[in-house]
Amino acid sequence: EAQVTQNPRYLITVTGKKLTVTCSQNMNHEYMSWYRQDPGLGLRQIYYSMNVEVTDKGDVPEGYKVSRKEKRNFPLILESPSPNQTSLYFCASRDRVYEQYFGPGTRLTVT
Amino acid sequence: KQEVTQIPAALSVPEGENLVLNCSFTDSAIYNLQWFRQDPGKGLTSLLLIQSSQREQTSGRLNASLDKSSGRSTLYIAASQPGDSATYLCAVKTNNAGNMLTFGGGTRLMVKP
Repeated sequence: EAQVTQNPRYLITVTGKKLTVTCSQNMNHEYMSWYRQDPGLGLRQIYYSMNVEVTDKGDVPEGYKVSRKEKRNFPLILESPSPNQTSLYFCASRDRVYEQYFGPGTRLTVT
Repeated sequence: KQEVTQIPAALSVPEGENLVLNCSFTDSAIYNLQWFRQDPGKGLTSLLLIQSSQREQTSGRLNASLDKSSGRSTLYIAASQPGDSATYLCAVKTNNAGNMLTFGGGTRLMVKP
């Protein structure tokens, strides 16, 4: 089944404790991205990647890092999480006609 | 900068009713527009993708139209069912805006039995 997977689905952590949210897709898509969704602000893009070793900032990249060492994986790294990064995070990949496929989401709480 | 607006923010209808959800965008130079469905606390499921050269797309009871010149898209849901209750989001990929996808705020739909 074609899909985008994310782990963990739920995470509660404390300020400053580094964490990584993994994302993997099995559709051989070159393009992948990360979004956060907040009430009243909608979905905003954090980072995206055009292909292996090619990444760029989206709308709200501050406080996040990404890497793309393999085509199928695009982890999101929070080096020093803060409470304002409490949010619902989505990973997505895109095919050649620009149709987006989203993962199930990761609900992160930073206390 | 592209801005996408969805009105109304929430809608409640009785089962069986046909309904229309609206999406408007400020920059008509778009590559495509995509409609998604999101259930509470869940991910986004793609419903329909309309390329800029297309006027409409259909899938089952859903029909999406696109009018680039007026900056509008509509999602028509025929014979609504309680299982259609969800938030519906539209997203636009704008030409010359890199790989940015701009989302509307969504319409929260409730279909009552």
